[in-house]
Amino acid sequence: EAGVAQSPRYKIIEKRQSVAFWCNPISGHATLYWYQQILGQGPKLLIQFQNNGVVDDSQLPKDRFSAERLKGVDSTLKIQPAKLEDSAVYLCASSFRNRGRETQYFGPGTRLLVL
Amino acid sequence: KQEVTQIPAALSVPEGENLVLNCSFTDSAIYNLQWFRQDPGKGLTSLLLIQSSQREQTSGRLNASLDKSSGRSTLYIAASQPGDSATYLCAVGGGTSYGKLTFGQGTILTVHP
Repeated sequence: EAGVAQSPRYKIIEKRQSVAFWCNPISGHATLYWYQQILGQGPKLLIQFQNNGVVDDSQLPKDRFSAERLKGVDSTLKIQPAKLEDSAVYLCASSFRNRGRETQYFGPGTRLLVL
Repeated sequence: KQEVTQIPAALSVPEGENLVLNCSFTDSAIYNLQWFRQDPGKGLTSLLLIQSSQREQTSGRLNASLDKSSGRSTLYIAASQPGDSATYLCAVGGGTSYGKLTFGQGTILTVHP
């Protein structure tokens, strides 16, 4: 079974530039998550999708971050314009619920460095 | 707002030692608690998931316990091996949506031969 795919794996940009990340979840997983993991910290949820609808985006900085999940499959996360403090690893995860249990499967992440 | 704290931040042990990692959370209204492993440059791998109605889960040399009332969980690793070296993250599920996870900052474990 293929895992969660993310691209690119690494990205270096200058502040005020734009950047986009892509995620392809595990086939059949209805729920998709984007997390931000700053060095030395645990991941922080940015946005959660159920199919192509947003369930929770309370911690997404909406003035610069946006995300979409077209057709309830792939998802993109965009930052425009980027700031130095956006340097982090961006993790995508997908999950399905079975008999009340839910396990999230994580992709390898995209490591972003903003100079 | 849920807050998750992990102690210690880092741990270095010789091979073969048994060890305990600690996790505490502030809001006991959780759906579940998970322990993840993260290797450098890699994503997270789920190790154990404990539902809120359960008290412990075991997988091989790993045992995780949950005490909801006191807001604590422990991950016990028996007979540690160098391959166990990684960052271990505790995450509690709950809040505004079923699947939402709140993570601790992790414990960096080094097992030296």
